[in-house]
Amino acid sequence: AQSVTQLGSHVSVSEGALVLLRCNYSSSVPPYLFWYVQYPNQGLQLLLKYTTGATLVKGINGFEAEFKKSETSFHLTKPSAHMSDAAEYFCAVSKGSQGNLIFGKGTKLSVKP
Amino acid sequence: DAGVTQSPTHLIKTRGQQVTLRCSPKSGHDTVSWYQQALGQGPQFIFQYYEEEERQRGNFPDRFSGHQFPNYSSELNVNALLLGDSALYLCASSFSGGGYEQYFGPGTRLTVT
Repeated sequence: AQSVTQLGSHVSVSEGALVLLRCNYSSSVPPYLFWYVQYPNQGLQLLLKYTTGATLVKGINGFEAEFKKSETSFHLTKPSAHMSDAAEYFCAVSKGSQGNLIFGKGTKLSVKP
Repeated sequence: DAGVTQSPTHLIKTRGQQVTLRCSPKSGHDTVSWYQQALGQGPQFIFQYYEEEERQRGNFPDRFSGHQFPNYSSELNVNALLLGDSALYLCASSFSGGGYEQYFGPGTRLTVT
């Protein structure tokens, strides 16, 4: 069975500081991995995805994530936080291109001025 | 190009009643998935429709049923509503021919009293 663990339900950073949101997964098959962002009272927006190939993937809004198979991790980073990054972030895994998404519980990111 | 749309935005129902939620996929998409997001949790997969048939199903009771129409739009029906069914219901669409991404709508907030 597949599962996703997001370490830290709430992360707070200062504007301009590094953002690091942690995600570990378990999967019996090569996983497809995703990060989504959810702003208050809105649906989910895809930030980036890993399917195959290059393990460092770049997404929208300056975010990137690195797939590390040996560590079963897919942590999300951004070099410099902006106030507009404050939102909830979800890591998800699926078994294939049309597989259902299994989400972590989410990490709420706060950005202090 | 319209994204995924859902209706209604908000809904209040009483225990025991039935509810129908609607979703129109992004243009060019033929697969629709439904997710339930309880407060403070990550979305949980309910089921996926493709070619008007349920292709995958998560761990939800038979009270949850769905339908996909020839124009790829979809409905989620929930019978005999329970207080625990109160949640944000998200619809996501994707293209079976590849791309891997699921695009989410803004959701329907269901409150059961």
